[in-house]
Amino acid sequence: EPEVTQTPSHQVTQMGQEVILRCVPISNHLYFYWYRQILGQKVEFLVSFYNNEISEKSEIFDDQFSVERPDGSNFTLKIRSTKLEDSAMYFCASSEGSGGINGYTFGSGTRLTVV
Amino acid sequence: AQTVTQSQPEMSVQEAETVTLSCTYDTSESDYYLFWYKQPPSRQMILVIRQEAYKQQNATENRFSVNFQKAAKSFSLKISDSQLGDAAMYFCAYRTYNNNDMRFGAGTRLTVKP
Repeated sequence: EPEVTQTPSHQVTQMGQEVILRCVPISNHLYFYWYRQILGQKVEFLVSFYNNEISEKSEIFDDQFSVERPDGSNFTLKIRSTKLEDSAMYFCASSEGSGGINGYTFGSGTRLTVV
Repeated sequence: AQTVTQSQPEMSVQEAETVTLSCTYDTSESDYYLFWYKQPPSRQMILVIRQEAYKQQNATENRFSVNFQKAAKSFSLKISDSQLGDAAMYFCAYRTYNNNDMRFGAGTRLTVKP
């Protein structure tokens, strides 16, 4: 069964450093998403991406965040200057279409620890 | 704003028994979708079951079924014949018809006792 692949599975970074979280969505999917889950809390929407541009973003997704699809397969989330409160599990997801009954296919997540 | 509430932080069930996880949501929309996701210790989010709001018939996937009460804005998950592998966090989620922002509840941690 097709999978969404995320790398690395765990990343530790120092506060103030830039990090790039990588995702390979399912190949025929056109919509891509990033969610985050602070430990013990609910899963929160960050951003959705379609046709090489952001289609929606939450209030969490401020200027320190950016997303990019640098080639035909990867979808990245960049955090420009990490803060302690950015420590969380970051999930990439993709879907074949927008909206619709199909739930998203999530990756296994990247655990980001900011020290 | 749409919110999703899971009032049971933790639930426990005996293996082979049935358990029901609660979920309520708040929305002014008439068309939307509801989902249950499972998050095992591996942390991956796995889609368990989904329901379209315009459908009155409750969705069923093998041992998993929902009780969708649109007027009450309730979407509970029933797990029948519980298995040890069902132990996980379960998240209820909501998405409007044309919106990509899926809203999740806080989750219910399900323990299955052998």
